[in-house]
Amino acid sequence: DAKTTQPTSMDCAEGRAANLPCNHSTISGNEYVYWYRQIHSQGPQYIIHGLKNNETNEMASLIITEDRKSSTLILPHATLRDTAVYYCIVRPPNAGGTSYGKLTFGQGTILTVHP
Amino acid sequence: NAGVTQTPKFRVLKTGQSMTLLCAQDMNHEYMYWYRQDPGMGLRLIHYSVGEGTTAKGEVPDGYNVSRLKKQNFLLGLESAAPSQTSVYFCASSWMTGNRHTEAFFGQGTRLTVV
Repeated sequence: DAKTTQPTSMDCAEGRAANLPCNHSTISGNEYVYWYRQIHSQGPQYIIHGLKNNETNEMASLIITEDRKSSTLILPHATLRDTAVYYCIVRPPNAGGTSYGKLTFGQGTILTVHP
Repeated sequence: NAGVTQTPKFRVLKTGQSMTLLCAQDMNHEYMYWYRQDPGMGLRLIHYSVGEGTTAKGEVPDGYNVSRLKKQNFLLGLESAAPSQTSVYFCASSWMTGNRHTEAFFGQGTRLTVV
């Protein structure tokens, strides 16, 4: 599985956009980029995922570079409740039954949103 | 629709005792996973199951056994608990759509302390 690199921590002011970077320079062509977050030791929560194109949902936007070697998760208007550990994960699809959908978690980025 | 439910939420064991953690999902998901999370670290995969009656080892399987007798339940057993198994345990489930795994849904965790 491709390894990801994220900053250890980031700060953001409430109401501003939070931009969380992730480097995945060894990603394969069929691997997806997933983002999860974990609020105060609760179970991880799915945020968004993408393959090549930029994606947006009600929680966030995901920008993937053209070479797919890095991506950025954008929380457009961060709130105090967005304070969490954010995990960027590269996940292989289930091609030919060789994968089982596992998620490999790194250390993640601790995002602190300040009032 | 409760999603993924873990039982119990907290437990203290003495070294050498045994116990079973229960994970139940009501989403008819094929794939289920057990992870552990130690302080300041990401989640690590213990065991997983790709369907009823099947189980397989993950990254850190030693000291644990699992069973998937019913599709909706995935049990994690500790036969002889050790202090090194003090951790927070998370269960997750997911399914396939086309050739791709969907996002995984996580339970709220079981905090286990072995003294």
